[in-house]
Amino acid sequence: GAVVSQHPSWVICKSGTSVKIECRSLDFQATTMFWYRQFPKQSLMLMATSNEGSKATYEQGVEKDKFLINHASLTLSTLTVTSAHPEDSSFYICSASDGGNQPQHFGDGTRLSIL
Amino acid sequence: GDSVTQMEGPVTLSEEAFLTINCTYTATGYPSLFWYVQYPGEGLQLLLKATKADDKGSNKGFEATYRKETTSFHLEKGSVQVSDSAVYFCALLNTGFQKLVFGTGTRLLVSP
Repeated sequence: GAVVSQHPSWVICKSGTSVKIECRSLDFQATTMFWYRQFPKQSLMLMATSNEGSKATYEQGVEKDKFLINHASLTLSTLTVTSAHPEDSSFYICSASDGGNQPQHFGDGTRLSIL
Repeated sequence: GDSVTQMEGPVTLSEEAFLTINCTYTATGYPSLFWYVQYPGEGLQLLLKATKADDKGSNKGFEATYRKETTSFHLEKGSVQVSDSAVYFCALLNTGFQKLVFGTGTRLLVSP
């Protein structure tokens, strides 16, 4: 149980395009979803926390207009990187929790490469 | 604020060796503690957890005991395999908060 599916797993696109990444909880209702960014050989950096039906809460230093997060249902959250540039290239990982002190369950990540 | 400190890697072991990865934490209250594992190119998988003092989490031969007196949650395995090569993250989740606090991760390399 507790499967989180993230799609796509790898994206290569040109500078200036927008990229949407989907995160779905397949067998539980995710009241809260999280988006992380991970640089090579480093730990995860939390970008934002989103609760279903509410606006996302962004961490300090994360541009909310650059990284648009939507959490419209209990099983789906999306991260859209708008007007992506090479410096946005990274590994993006989502996670989901059904609340309380329950563990977060992670997707397999999306490797984003901007040319 | 809350924080997690892990031993720096990489930890390099031969197959069947004993593994310990140290993790200590600083937190107010009574957090839940977790170990996650990340295989190359993948997201994180929950390996084990403990929610209160003296709890022992275990999975796939890995164990960790929640030690409140030493604020530690060290990961151990009696006999590692090549397939255990990965990055291991210690994390805490404090009561009333939603965010996981991660350690920096420890890379484990197991050679045949």
